[in-house]
Amino acid sequence: AQKITQTQPGMFVQEKEAVTLDCTYDTSDPSYGLFWYKQPSSGEMIFLIYQGSYDQQNATEGRYSLNFQKARKSANLVISASQLGDSAMYFCAMREGRGADYKLSFGAGTTVTVRA
Amino acid sequence: DGGITQSPKYLFRKEGQNVTLSCEQNLNHDAMYWYRQDPGQGLRLIYYSQIVNDFQKGDIAEGYSVSREKKESFPLTVTSAQKNPTAFYLCASSRRGEQYFGPGTRLTVT
Repeated sequence: AQKITQTQPGMFVQEKEAVTLDCTYDTSDPSYGLFWYKQPSSGEMIFLIYQGSYDQQNATEGRYSLNFQKARKSANLVISASQLGDSAMYFCAMREGRGADYKLSFGAGTTVTVRA
Repeated sequence: DGGITQSPKYLFRKEGQNVTLSCEQNLNHDAMYWYRQDPGQGLRLIYYSQIVNDFQKGDIAEGYSVSREKKESFPLTVTSAQKNPTAFYLCASSRRGEQYFGPGTRLTVT
């Protein structure tokens, strides 16, 4: 079974508007972490934001915020005030457990295109 | 500057040849990882190593081999046994969960 599901293959957003990227996850482990990465056309993976399963507050990093709904097992990324440079592929990922084994499971990604 | 380097950025090989992809980090991270990415897809884990001289298979290890003789280095060999080696390969290292990625190597096998 898929551990991370991203149902939106591609999205268009107008510059300066907000966009929400969906991510649902599946785990029975009470301790886990959720990550969002950005991958521009150059290919490098850029870390954006992290949410731990025990964190009480939703994570925020500048224009990025994570809408964490634990009961629904969703961890949507919100990008506010979109910029042309935000055009990229975005991946949701999950780490399970607390040990030293920090393997990540990745979703299939969502391509975001920001229009001027 | 601290970071992860992968070389070369583009690599071309003939079918049947083994090829080794380089990954070096100066972040002093214990754990290192190799992922494969196919067009329009997410990342899949090939191998990972938590400490020097130790490594484990990921989800798609068949046709690949690795070594971890130094903390800084985690080279990946794509062997001739790998049926579809053409892909984008990303190396990462981590400390306390967050993974830092290198720029990747795009391998084309013809």
